[in-house]
Amino acid sequence: DTEVTQTPKHLVMGMTNKKSLKCEQHMGHRAMYWYKQKAKKPPELMFVYSYEKLSINESVPSRFSPECPNSSLLNLHLHALQPEDSALYLCASSQEGQGRGTQYFGPGTRLTVL
Amino acid sequence: AQTVTQSQPEMSVQEAETVTLSCTYDTSESDYYLFWYKQPPSRQMILVIRQEAYKQQNATENRFSVNFQKAAKSFSLKISDSQLGDAAMYFCAYLYTGANSKLTFGKGITLSVRP
Repeated sequence: DTEVTQTPKHLVMGMTNKKSLKCEQHMGHRAMYWYKQKAKKPPELMFVYSYEKLSINESVPSRFSPECPNSSLLNLHLHALQPEDSALYLCASSQEGQGRGTQYFGPGTRLTVL
Repeated sequence: AQTVTQSQPEMSVQEAETVTLSCTYDTSESDYYLFWYKQPPSRQMILVIRQEAYKQQNATENRFSVNFQKAAKSFSLKISDSQLGDAAMYFCAYLYTGANSKLTFGKGITLSVRP
């Protein structure tokens, strides 16, 4: 079973709202990732958690705040976003620590910022 | 730095025919993985096939196979007996096996399948 789940599927928010994206995996994977993807472009890495610790932050603006409450769960907290932040947000996980092994992706959350 | 190049932005194939998607990469490392991911219009990124660089044998998954040429740094994907459900964007990706490495994607290729 290589399932990564993400909620919600779609999210529309105003620039003053606070919302959160959720990602979950029950495969015992030790690394979890957040990517941002614009239409017809490859995913861009945002954050990596390895063994529940933040190991990579790709100079992402502070209006995006990741959280890893436990080894199965990854959140992305959103606050004061801009319209250019509208994109598909993908979560992924891999069995070994960060950078090692195959990454399996969730279905994504399509975010629209008005 | 590692780079992955997919030079063709679009390709089209007739249903039941065979199509090959090209990918080249640049690295100074000897131990790495290469992947092909498929992303249909539903947007779920799905792993198609994986190749470990130390393996000489080309990976195969049902109708999907790769031609891995390590010296030439080439990693093409062959889809046999193309089906309508194969229509998607395909990304080639590279991952060094060392610590703190990041998955590097090509720009992707959009494959359409003609009935």
